Amino acid sequence: AQSVSQHNHHVILSEAASLELGCNYSYGGTVNLFWYVQYPGQHLQLLLKYFSGDPLVKGIKGFEAEFIKSKFSFNLRKPSVQWSDTAEYFCAVNARYGGSQGNLIFGKGTKLSVKP
Amino acid sequence: DAGVTQSPTHLIKTRGQQVTLRCSPKSGHDTVSWYQQALGQGPQFIFQYYEEEERQRGNFPDRFSGHQFPNYSSELNVNALLLGDSALYLCASTPGLAGWEQYFGPGTRLTVT
Repeated sequence: AQSVSQHNHHVILSEAASLELGCNYSYGGTVNLFWYVQYPGQHLQLLLKYFSGDPLVKGIKGFEAEFIKSKFSFNLRKPSVQWSDTAEYFCAVNARYGGSQGNLIFGKGTKLSVKP
Repeated sequence: DAGVTQSPTHLIKTRGQQVTLRCSPKSGHDTVSWYQQALGQGPQFIFQYYEEEERQRGNFPDRFSGHQFPNYSSELNVNALLLGDSALYLCASTPGLAGWEQYFGPGTRLTVT
């Protein structure tokens, strides 16, 4: 069965610090990879996605993620965080079956708190 | 362009009761998926509807059922509610089964007492 592991439950950073959130998945086939963000009181929003091609993907608000197939990892990075980045971050994966896709499997999430 | 909408926003029910949650997909989307997000956890897939049929199902008991209407909107029904069903229920939509990016609604917060 597919699974997604997020290494950090809660990360606390000061503004301008660099961020890296770890994500590993278990599935031997072709996958799509996603990072979603949930700001306090708001709904899940897509930060970035990887379907194929360049393994370094850039998303909104200065976030980027790198897909390392050999490590089954899709870590999220941001060079300099802001207070407004305080939110919960979810890594998700779904398997690709020809022209269709499986359901999204989410990690448990990482809560990011940025101190001003 | 309206995004995914869900109703109601909050709901309080008693153990053993039944509940119906509603979802309207994003304009142009015809595939709806439902997820349960317990406190402190990531969303868990319940099922997916396309062309008014359940296409995929996660590891949830038969107490969880759904329906999709011709206008692509969807309902999630939960019977014989348990305390453990308290969660945020999320609806997501995509344009077709091969639409890889899911758009999420704000969710319905269900509390079972």
